[in-house]
Amino acid sequence: QSALTQPPSASGSPGQSVTISCTGTSGDVGGYNYVSWYQQHPGKAPQLIIYEVSKRPSGVPDRFSGSKSGNTASLTVSKLQTEDEATYFCNSFGGSDNLIFGGGTKLTVL
Amino acid sequence: EGQLLESGGGSVQPGGSLRLSCEGSGFTFNNYAVNWVRQAPGRGLEWVSGITGSGASTYYADSLRGRFTISRDNYKNMVYLQMNSLRVEDTAVYYCAKEVRSTSKGSFDIWGRGTSVTVSS
Repeated sequence: QSALTQPPSASGSPGQSVTISCTGTSGDVGGYNYVSWYQQHPGKAPQLIIYEVSKRPSGVPDRFSGSKSGNTASLTVSKLQTEDEATYFCNSFGGSDNLIFGGGTKLTVL
Repeated sequence: EGQLLESGGGSVQPGGSLRLSCEGSGFTFNNYAVNWVRQAPGRGLEWVSGITGSGASTYYADSLRGRFTISRDNYKNMVYLQMNSLRVEDTAVYYCAKEVRSTSKGSFDIWGRGTSVTVSS
């Protein structure tokens, strides 16, 4: 299966909101409510920020939210802060016990 | 809070083998699936393999099936990734990661720091 499609870059100013998309197919994103989002700062391990489409792990600010419509999942970061500057990856269960990641979106806080 | 710690990475020639280890602590290890995810230099994340909490079921990325084998020893709180017939394109940082809950898929709430594997002649 092909990687999920994410825009390579996104940007916003402090205090603004930005939404990052993650597009798959009916065989992955559209077919299952197992979409997760990860934040990765340079040289660090990824951190889970959204799982099962819209659930937030404890400790993740409610400025981060997730949703899904059809074959596209979205991550919205509200009230942007400078520390939100990072690369964001989505993943989805793809059936047959297969997991697929997106290519990543580098978020710049201007 | 739980932790994972990888070890076993290093440099190897094409065709060689390595065994990566992942030690868990701070959580009930046998209750959770553990997966391996890799990241080639400057690239994105790629799921490699996963194993259920009991070890009864294992899963692999289609492109790696047959060369990599995942296993676990719940008495030692360890997960292993045996990598054979290594190729240059297997060069990456390898992370082990724990599922957030037993019934989830791809929701990794605890990650190790990663161990680097370099395949080069």
